[in-house]
Amino acid sequence: SAVISQKPSRDICQRGTSLTIQCQVDSQVTMMFWYRQQPGQSLTLIATANQGSEATYESGFVIDKFPISRPNLTFSTLTVSNMSPEDSSIYLCSVVGDSKNTEAFFGQGTRLTVV
Amino acid sequence: EDKVVQSPLSLVVHEGDTVTLNCSYEVTNFRSLLWYKQEKKAPTFLFMLTSSGIEKKSGRLSSILDKKELFSILNITATQTGDSAIYLCAVLNDYKLSFGAGTTVTVRA
Repeated sequence: SAVISQKPSRDICQRGTSLTIQCQVDSQVTMMFWYRQQPGQSLTLIATANQGSEATYESGFVIDKFPISRPNLTFSTLTVSNMSPEDSSIYLCSVVGDSKNTEAFFGQGTRLTVV
Repeated sequence: EDKVVQSPLSLVVHEGDTVTLNCSYEVTNFRSLLWYKQEKKAPTFLFMLTSSGIEKKSGRLSSILDKKELFSILNITATQTGDSAIYLCAVLNDYKLSFGAGTTVTVRA
């Protein structure tokens, strides 16, 4: 299993500012994902963050808006840049263990409100 | 493009009823199908399914996978108000974990 510490738990930010969300994993894992969950909706994959390479972004998400760092196999950050009220969401990081049959583990989530 | 489709999107039942949630998928390089329950922020893991026809059970919840027809069902028997939540189906392949839209279950006393 993997335990993920995600920070901050929640924040209220002014429009036009940026927020960096951190996820620390208690073990080394290759696959890490960042999701957004807008109110009343399911989890939408923003990007896959692989250590040592550029993150792979899903359609509709760009690096300038959501820069991601993955400096090692236990840590990653997601920045939400130049925020607008439409960015108000829950942001979640997730990892999948490197063995074949393993579930996905989630951080506690960050509830972001942009005012 | 990978697809995960859940149905119904929502349902309302009374305590004691049985609910069946559906998840169909189209993904390349399938590894596993996962069910989660979400009440607050982080989803809570329920089941991981990798093989067809083998039912997984946990208390009143059970799930099964059909890899030929590319779907899974999640059953909840004798529902309780504490079962009210969003139930998420996700499919993992070699490089991505994709979620369906979720099914919102409301159990009325």
